[in-house]
Amino acid sequence: GALVYQYPRRTICKSGTSMRMECQAVGFQATSVAWYRQSPQKTFELIALSTVNSAIKYEQNFTQEKFPISHPNLSFSSMTVLNAYLEDRGLYLCGARGGQDTQYFGPGTRLLVL
Amino acid sequence: GDSVTQTEGLVTLTEGLPVMLNCTYQTIYSNPFLFWYVQHLNESPRLLLKSFTDNKRTEHQGFHATLHKSSSSFHLQKSSAQLSDSALYYCALSEFNYNVLYFGSGTKLTVEP
Repeated sequence: GALVYQYPRRTICKSGTSMRMECQAVGFQATSVAWYRQSPQKTFELIALSTVNSAIKYEQNFTQEKFPISHPNLSFSSMTVLNAYLEDRGLYLCGARGGQDTQYFGPGTRLLVL
Repeated sequence: GDSVTQTEGLVTLTEGLPVMLNCTYQTIYSNPFLFWYVQHLNESPRLLLKSFTDNKRTEHQGFHATLHKSSSSFHLQKSSAQLSDSALYYCALSEFNYNVLYFGSGTKLTVEP
């Protein structure tokens, strides 16, 4: 079946430092990967959509300078949170889609910022 | 742009009573796809239901929902709540290519004995 892995599951970083999180699709080819953030007590916000062979599209309030994304092949994507601060804490989800009509979510990377 | 509205932030029910969680949406697309996701504590959201067919009931695990394009609604229902149904429920919308989801604010359902 289709599975999505995310690594790390949980991470703590100091304010002002950066951290990288990874997303891997298993059992299908992820032609698109969407990254979301769920801040504490809030819903999921779309950060950006990465489609193979297309430019990465960032939503309003999120920029490539802050959340650079790499999507080098059909099974892997990574996103870095640069200069993380308290407002960046939350659960970061990647949703990967292949040819099926739905997104499969990974378990998320929970980011704590001290 | 696309948006999803869930009016109830918190719903508390007694076990055995019916469940109805509201979801309405706005989109410029005539054929949106609507989803319900359930998120248990410390877990990622899991797909519960999805639909793109107008006026057709879709069911899964005792829950059901019907997409009504005339009223832009996709309410989630269940005839009898169970304790294990306690979770966060998110309604979400996708455009035709399913690449991204726009989530509502979520409804926390608590089922009490």
